[in-house]
Formats: sequence, structure tokens, C-alpha cells
Amino acid sequence: DTAVSQTPKYLVTQMGNDKSIKCEQNLGHDTMYWYKQDSKKFLKIMFSYNNKELIINETVPNRFSPKSPDKAHLNLHINSLELGDSAVYFCASSQDLGGREQYFGPGTRLTVT
Amino acid sequence: GQQLNQSPQSMFIQEGEDVSMNCTSSSIFNTWLWYKQEPGEGPVLLIALYKAGELTSNGRLTAQFGITRKDSFLNISASIPSDVGIYFCAGQDLRGTYKYIFGTGTRLKVLA
Repeated sequence: DTAVSQTPKYLVTQMGNDKSIKCEQNLGHDTMYWYKQDSKKFLKIMFSYNNKELIINETVPNRFSPKSPDKAHLNLHINSLELGDSAVYFCASSQDLGGREQYFGPGTRLTVT
Repeated sequence: GQQLNQSPQSMFIQEGEDVSMNCTSSSIFNTWLWYKQEPGEGPVLLIALYKAGELTSNGRLTAQFGITRKDSFLNISASIPSDVGIYFCAGQDLRGTYKYIFGTGTRLKVLA
């Protein structure tokens, strides 16, 4: 059973399009995250949600809008995609805000052409 | 964004050798995590550390939470080819937003 899952695994799209990435966790965790990993493999936090409430919004362009319909799901919608948005996006979850151990999904490789 | 200093950046070692890497921060953390990432996959949690001075093992891996709370160390003993990957440290500050800050990664290659 996959603990943290993301769809799609790969996403290729043109500049200006709008796309969404979905994330689900079956660990019963309260807190979920979105990270961006660039070509140099740096992992940078974008957002975190705790019990569907936005906690971290890490200076991300407002073209990126996370949505948490329930504790087990955190989706990422990106409007007007730009070339610089090309990266691997990871979803993660932890028991709670101070839950300490954080588990990652398999990632979504987004390529904007 | 803030990143932790992780060294070395990369390592090429012979199978059977021991590996050491470390992570340093200018801030103190309450938790240190160590991850391994293989190509095309998400980071996989290896070891979690919760107290200053704590030493924890997971098979051939041993990690330590530095007593200053500003650093952590990961050792891999008797490396094997499947140890290849990028190793990341991450520190969590339990104040404010409880954000995890990640290290810059250590790329490990094992020569058989």
C-alpha cells in the first residue's frame, strides 16, 4: 500500500496552460506539504496544510494555489505555467505540525515547453 | 530559501568502504531527519533524531544529533552498490511554522 501517492507522475505541457497535481496520503496524518525540487536537487518547501488549514506559504507566486479538500488530500493547481515552473514537485505528510517524521510521495515531474 | 550546509557535496567510494557525511546549520533544531533519494523517486526517510547527542542506527546506517543542536552526522558502514543515491539531511524548528529545512545533499557513488 502506497503511503503518499501523487498523480500524475509526469506532466508535459505548454506555457500558459493551467494544470493540477493531486496528492493523497493514507497514513492518517494531519499535516501535508508541497515541495519543489529544482535541477540541482534542492528541496524547497512551498506550502503546508494542517487539518485543511494553510500554515506555510513560502513566497510562492500566486499562480500556485494549493487546495486541501480533506486531511488526506492536498492538491496543487498552477495557472499560466511558465518555463521556470519546470521541476519535480513532491507531496509529503507528517503526523502533525510537530510530528517530526515526514514522508514523501514519488514526485511529479513537470516539464513546461 | 534557507538551506542547510551539507558536506561533502559528492563522494566516489569503493564498495566496502565506510562513508561519513554531515550537515550544519546556523540555527538550532529540535529534530534532524536523514533521507535517501534515488533517481526518479521521492526521498525515503532513513533515520529520525529527536534529542541532542542521540545516536541512532538503521542497519548499516548510523546518525547522530549533534550536542550543539546545530549539526548532524550520518555514517554508512561497509558500503554496497545499492547505497548509491543522494542523501539529504533535514532539520525541523518547532517554533513558528514547524518548517523543515533541507540540506544541499550528498551525492554518493559506489564503485564495485
